[in-house]
Amino acid sequence: SQTIHQWPATLVQPVGSPLSLECTVEGTSNPNLYWYRQAAGRGLQLLFYSVGIGQISSEVPQNLSASRPQDRQFILSSKKLLLSDSGFYLCAWNGQGGEKLFFGSGTQLSVL
Amino acid sequence: AQSVAQPEDQVNVAEGNPLTVKCTYSVSGNPYLFWYVQYPNRGLQFLLKYITGDNLVKGSYGFEAEFNKSQTSFHLKKPSALVSDSALYFCAVRDQTGANNLFFGTGTRLTVIP
Repeated sequence: SQTIHQWPATLVQPVGSPLSLECTVEGTSNPNLYWYRQAAGRGLQLLFYSVGIGQISSEVPQNLSASRPQDRQFILSSKKLLLSDSGFYLCAWNGQGGEKLFFGSGTQLSVL
Repeated sequence: AQSVAQPEDQVNVAEGNPLTVKCTYSVSGNPYLFWYVQYPNRGLQFLLKYITGDNLVKGSYGFEAEFNKSQTSFHLKKPSALVSDSALYFCAVRDQTGANNLFFGTGTRLTVIP
């Protein structure tokens, strides 16, 4: 069966520090991969999605970047975190042509 | 562009009473609509979807949703609420322009009062 792993679960980082959040999917090949952010008291915002290795689409301009170095690995990064980067980050995947998204357990990022 | 709106930030209902969580959508063409639930500090879980066919869609945990094209609505319903249904509920619409992205509403927090 397919599973999605996302880590770390919580992270506290100072302003200006770098960020790397990792997401891996098991049990499937060539998934579509997504990064969402959920700010406190707000809905989900799609940040990036990827339909294949090295293919990244950005939905909103921001301080973050994403990379997909392997088929089932999706990384969210920042060179210098801002206070506004705080939030709950969710990785998700679906199959090619699949309609249902499967979410990871999320990372709570606090930038202080 | 497609979007969904959830007009209520918070819904409170007594245990055993029916519940409704509202969602309206805006799309060009036929909508693909979804409901997800999020429990505290967790990722989202799929509840149900409407692609085509019967306007009443049944999903997980006894939930159902009614697709209403004339009102552009996709309200989530359950005949009898449980305390364990207390969570954050998201309506979503699928991106029709490319990859299978979902665009989510702002969420509605459901609290079921014992």
